[in-house]
Amino acid sequence: DTAVSQTPKYLVTQMGNDKSIKCEQNLGHDTMYWYKQDSKKFLKIMFSYNNKELIINETVPNRFSPKSPDKAHLNLHINSLELGDSAVYFCASSQELLLSYNEQFFGPGTRLTVL
Amino acid sequence: GQQLNQSPQSMFIQEGEDVSMNCTSSSIFNTWLWYKQDPGEGPVLLIALYKAGELTSNGRLTAQFGITRKDSFLNISASIPSDVGIYFCAGFNSGGSNYKLTFGKGTLLTVNP
Repeated sequence: DTAVSQTPKYLVTQMGNDKSIKCEQNLGHDTMYWYKQDSKKFLKIMFSYNNKELIINETVPNRFSPKSPDKAHLNLHINSLELGDSAVYFCASSQELLLSYNEQFFGPGTRLTVL
Repeated sequence: GQQLNQSPQSMFIQEGEDVSMNCTSSSIFNTWLWYKQDPGEGPVLLIALYKAGELTSNGRLTAQFGITRKDSFLNISASIPSDVGIYFCAGFNSGGSNYKLTFGKGTLLTVNP
């Protein structure tokens, strides 16, 4: 039933480690996104993929590498984790990016804590 | 980049009261949106506004797209405890290197029963 799912829900790890967060959507959407929500609840887009092609990269450090094996999945891999990477990461999906807005459906989030 | 100023940052109200929050931008948007985020969940779209001056309702919620295209407000009437959460405004533009949502910093709403 779940439209946009993310795993894991919680991730606690040490500085310097490499970790991945997985996202899957069963809505048949063409576009997927990753957002970061900081401790002050500010939401900011990181990446957007349309049919497995990178559309938006909001000057995110290259330690963050999104990977889209197919249009239903957009995983986020983070290398050499830093304290400042601690945040809640949201995956979202929508119909194909067009001239008008298509509703984005958000996953439940992954709370990443870097110690 | 584009920035949205959302106010108030937080509100504490009694059940049954009406609530108003607004968002202003330094630049215009083609679409204004209002989202609600419950604790431990992702944001959920409440209302989307596509035309300047548009006034749209969704149950007890009413939102308007400002004439200048640089602002929007959200009203909630007769609040109930389940209205608790963080409300975000967001603006969307398309074309060029856009096609992205820009979010306000949120309004935390607490409703006392």
